[in-house]
Amino acid sequence: DGGITQSPKYLFRKEGQNVTLSCEQNLNHDAMYWYRQDPGQGLRLIYYSQIVNDFQKGDIAEGYSVSREKKESFPLTVTSAQKNPTAFYLCASSPFASGGDEQFFGPGTRLTVL
Amino acid sequence: QKEVEQNSGPLSVPEGAIASLNCTYSDRGSQSFFWYRQYSGKSPELIMFIYSNGDKEDGRFTAQLNKASQYVSLLIRDSQPSDSATYLCAVRGSGNTGKLIFGQGTTLQVKP
Repeated sequence: DGGITQSPKYLFRKEGQNVTLSCEQNLNHDAMYWYRQDPGQGLRLIYYSQIVNDFQKGDIAEGYSVSREKKESFPLTVTSAQKNPTAFYLCASSPFASGGDEQFFGPGTRLTVL
Repeated sequence: QKEVEQNSGPLSVPEGAIASLNCTYSDRGSQSFFWYRQYSGKSPELIMFIYSNGDKEDGRFTAQLNKASQYVSLLIRDSQPSDSATYLCAVRGSGNTGKLIFGQGTTLQVKP
């Protein structure tokens, strides 16, 4: 099955810890994105990548880091510098450079800081 | 001013009625427009996209775009209780980044 997978589904973090959220896609999409969603709010862009080994900051990049070493993978690290990390994290991908800018989402990771 | 605005609702309609969801955007050079449906606790699911002025129909869904008024809407005909969800409007602005700007979403409640 083609799609986007995220793991883990739920993640609990102690204050001061770094955690890494996984995002994998087998759609052969060029672009990948990370969003954060807080209760009752829309999606805010954290980081995005249009091509392997390149990525750009979104609107709320502070306290987060990413890498794009492979086309199919775009992990997000939530660092201890992120002061309020409890949220629903969504990864998305799109064909973009191949034509088509619609984005498709993974199932999400719900992060809670204890 | 927010870049993409939606009424947060909730919008309540009876089963079988037409639900009308609206979205306005600020970037006049915006290229592409998307509607996503998000059930509570789940990730967004793409249901419609539209690029040109006018209407685009897909089953019970119709997207309408008016670039002059910077307005995009989603009509859901014969609304069903299973349509109850939050509907997110997303806009790809001018430029070549592929970034989408999302509205905060409108919650739709379809009552049996």
